[in-house]
Amino acid sequence: AQTVTQSQPEMSVQEAETVTLSCTYDTSENNYYLFWYKQPPSRQMILVIRQEAYKQQNATENRFSVNFQKAAKSFSLKISDSQLGDTAMYFCAVQPSGNTPLVFGKGTRLSVIA
Amino acid sequence: GAVVSQHPSWVICKSGTSVKIECRSLDFQATTMFWYRQFPKQSLMLMATSNEGSKATYEQGVEKDKFLINHASLTLSTLTVTSAHPEDSSFYICSAILAVNYNEQFFGPGTRLTVL
Repeated sequence: AQTVTQSQPEMSVQEAETVTLSCTYDTSENNYYLFWYKQPPSRQMILVIRQEAYKQQNATENRFSVNFQKAAKSFSLKISDSQLGDTAMYFCAVQPSGNTPLVFGKGTRLSVIA
Repeated sequence: GAVVSQHPSWVICKSGTSVKIECRSLDFQATTMFWYRQFPKQSLMLMATSNEGSKATYEQGVEKDKFLINHASLTLSTLTVTSAHPEDSSFYICSAILAVNYNEQFFGPGTRLTVL
């Protein structure tokens, strides 16, 4: 079975500052996929960033980057130059293999303060 | 990007009635769709996996006779909540996998169900 742990229920950050959200996971698969999703008040799930486990290079998407530590099964999300629009719930998720559902963590509520 | 729609976006019904929620992939074919349920301030919990042309696979603890899933085509999956009760009130979200890229999953906007 797969598990995802997000140990920070809530976080806050000043606008323009940098914040890191933590995530650890457990899976017995070798070729799995990791994701960070954002869920704003509208509740639409929005993909922030994804990482293939077989890739050593950390994924980046503009202001969003990850620190993927495969041996430690850690997958943290760094948001640089935080913006008010980044305020949302952030879910870390693992997909054990292709065509399988995502397993989500409990989420971290991020508030960006002006 | 690929778009997934859900209908209705919100519904209020009386206890004991049935409610059907549709999930459509608008511009791609989805061999597999997933149904999740999200209670307030909680995470998404997988309810079932829906494969086109076959019976859905339900997660442990999810009653298949209460939550009927039909995946009749490559672009449509439906979830019917039968004999709904107030404890079924929740946010239901579907997602679809692009048939040619199993690692890309697209989420619908969700359906808020309130059972009175």
